Amino acid sequence: GAGVSQSPSNKVTEKGKDVELRCDPISGHTALYWYRQRLGQGLEFLIYFQGNSAPDKSGLPSDRFSAERTGESVSTLTIQRTQQEDSAVYLCASSLGALQETQYFGPGTRLLVL
Amino acid sequence: GQSLEQPSEVTAVEGAIVQINCTYQTSGFYGLSWYQQHDGGAPTFLSYNALDGLEETGRFSSFLSRSDSYGYLLLQELQMKDSASYFCAARPGGNEKLTFGTGTRLTIIP
Repeated sequence: GAGVSQSPSNKVTEKGKDVELRCDPISGHTALYWYRQRLGQGLEFLIYFQGNSAPDKSGLPSDRFSAERTGESVSTLTIQRTQQEDSAVYLCASSLGALQETQYFGPGTRLLVL
Repeated sequence: GQSLEQPSEVTAVEGAIVQINCTYQTSGFYGLSWYQQHDGGAPTFLSYNALDGLEETGRFSSFLSRSDSYGYLLLQELQMKDSASYFCAARPGGNEKLTFGTGTRLTIIP
């Protein structure tokens, strides 16, 4: 079956523009996560969706960042008024349920803010 | 809060054995996971320890000691393709999101 997919794979934008990143989780996976990874760094948690529960937004770095998820499917991460410091790889992961230990990652979106 | 500490870099020789350590401090604990990430790639799941002791999966083994808040990933018969970053991860009690460690960059030399 298909894995987690993300689009676009690469995005170059100008400082101050808004960008929208998309994640399609594995079908049937109720949990979905967004992470940010700067070059050579670890995984920085951004937001977590589980079923119909309120999302855990504790990792969002500023109010310029927001995310939505439609039911238990597609999620979009939006970054408004992008800054150069937002340049990073944005990874999406899904898992079967809240306490399932195996997360399946998408290939990521490489964002470059000029 | 929670934190998982790993050595930033480890170098090992092809064919040898290497151990990557992870020490953690979390408000609660449901077990320790390990992920591998090649340069330019996405992390992939390697193993999970819910209980103390050693879990073996082929050339990779993972160990957990809850009393010591410590775990490690053991890689045997190292191959050049094992050069990658390795992350430990834990799920703190009362909080369902996974927290990742600082990551260890493993370099295999001939």
